[in-house]
Amino acid sequence: KAGVTQTPRYLIKTRGQQVTLSCSPISGHRSVSWYQQTPGQGLQFLFEYFSETQRNKGNFPGRFSGRQFSNSRSEMNVSTLELGDSALYLCASSYTGTDLGKEAFFGQGTRLTVV
Amino acid sequence: GIQVEQSPPDLILQEGANSTLRCNFSDSVNNLQWFHQNPWGQLINLFYIPSGTKQNGRLSATTVATERYSLLYISSSQTTDSGVYFCAVVVPYDYKLSFGAGTTVTVRA
Repeated sequence: KAGVTQTPRYLIKTRGQQVTLSCSPISGHRSVSWYQQTPGQGLQFLFEYFSETQRNKGNFPGRFSGRQFSNSRSEMNVSTLELGDSALYLCASSYTGTDLGKEAFFGQGTRLTVV
Repeated sequence: GIQVEQSPPDLILQEGANSTLRCNFSDSVNNLQWFHQNPWGQLINLFYIPSGTKQNGRLSATTVATERYSLLYISSSQTTDSGVYFCAVVVPYDYKLSFGAGTTVTVRA
């Protein structure tokens, strides 16, 4: 079974640009969540989607947005990039049909550098 | 929100030593996982352990949900065990993993 796939693996963008990151979950998994990891702030939750519906959103500005498609693949978008958006972005998938917590699996991450 | 505290923040071990990492959490959870972050940044699943005890080779974990803590044991450590270990929990109806700050383990040959 293929794991969680994130693309691209690395990105370099200029301040003010926008970027789209993609995440394909494990086959059969319907929940996809996104996390930002920086040295100063650790691992912070961005948002979670299940069956194309956002169920939870972290404390990030509106420049950060996401969506999920009918095949469970998810994208996140960051507009008007700032230097502080440089981070490792991690995507996780799980088979969560109810509130019961299920094991989450992570992709390899996308390392974004804003210059 | 829930507070997740990991201790110690840093751990330096001699190869072959045993160690215990701790994760305390401030509220009831329905999921607890331990991860090891590899040098390339990927989070590798070690244990899915909302309660009870599990073992996988030289690693084992115990979660006492009623007392809100979990322990990760590393026995006969190897240099490949080096890295950052994270504990993460899910609060009911929260639909997200809340992470601790991690324990950085360095195993010296």
